[in-house]
Amino acid sequence: DGGITQSPKYLFRKEGQNVTLSCEQNLNHDAMYWYRQDPGQGLRLIYYSQIVNDFQKGDIAEGYSVSREKKESFPLTVTSAQKNPTAFYLCASSKQSPQGAREAFFGQGTRLTVV
Amino acid sequence: AQSVSQHNHHVILSEAASLELGCNYSYGGTVNLFWYVQYPGQHLQLLLKYFSGDPLVKGIKGFEAEFIKSKFSFNLRKPSVQWSDTAEYFCAVNNNAGNMLTFGGGTRLMVKP
Repeated sequence: DGGITQSPKYLFRKEGQNVTLSCEQNLNHDAMYWYRQDPGQGLRLIYYSQIVNDFQKGDIAEGYSVSREKKESFPLTVTSAQKNPTAFYLCASSKQSPQGAREAFFGQGTRLTVV
Repeated sequence: AQSVSQHNHHVILSEAASLELGCNYSYGGTVNLFWYVQYPGQHLQLLLKYFSGDPLVKGIKGFEAEFIKSKFSFNLRKPSVQWSDTAEYFCAVNNNAGNMLTFGGGTRLMVKP
């Protein structure tokens, strides 16, 4: 089955530790995204990548880092510099249609709790 | 920069009531519009999308949305809701000039049986 896989589903970390969230897609999509979901704030874009070895900051990139060494993979590292890391993290991917439109497909999310 | 506003944060309805959730966006160019739904404990799913053509779009589970360009709106409607429609609904926008999908703050819908 084609889709987006995020792992793990739940993650607990101690304050001050870096943690990496995994996102893999087998949809052959060129673009991948990381969003953070907080109650009442919708989804906010952290980073996105349009092609391999290239990525751009979104609206709330501070305290996060990413890499895109392979088309299928876009891991997100939540660093100790992120002031409020406890949240639900969603990964997505998209492909441009011939008409220029993009539709995003989402993974199941990772709930990160920092204690 | 584009932005999306969903004015209803929480909506409570009884079964069989009609639903309309508001969505307004700010971007002057060509846009693609989406409604996503997140059922409790599940991942985000696409309800419907508008790319071009007929501004009245029909989606899954009896939902529809109307794109009104002059009002920068893309409201979601359903004539008769069911208890199983209880979920959080997100409106989203992107444009052909960029690669970013911008979301509204979401609307939590609770349908009472």
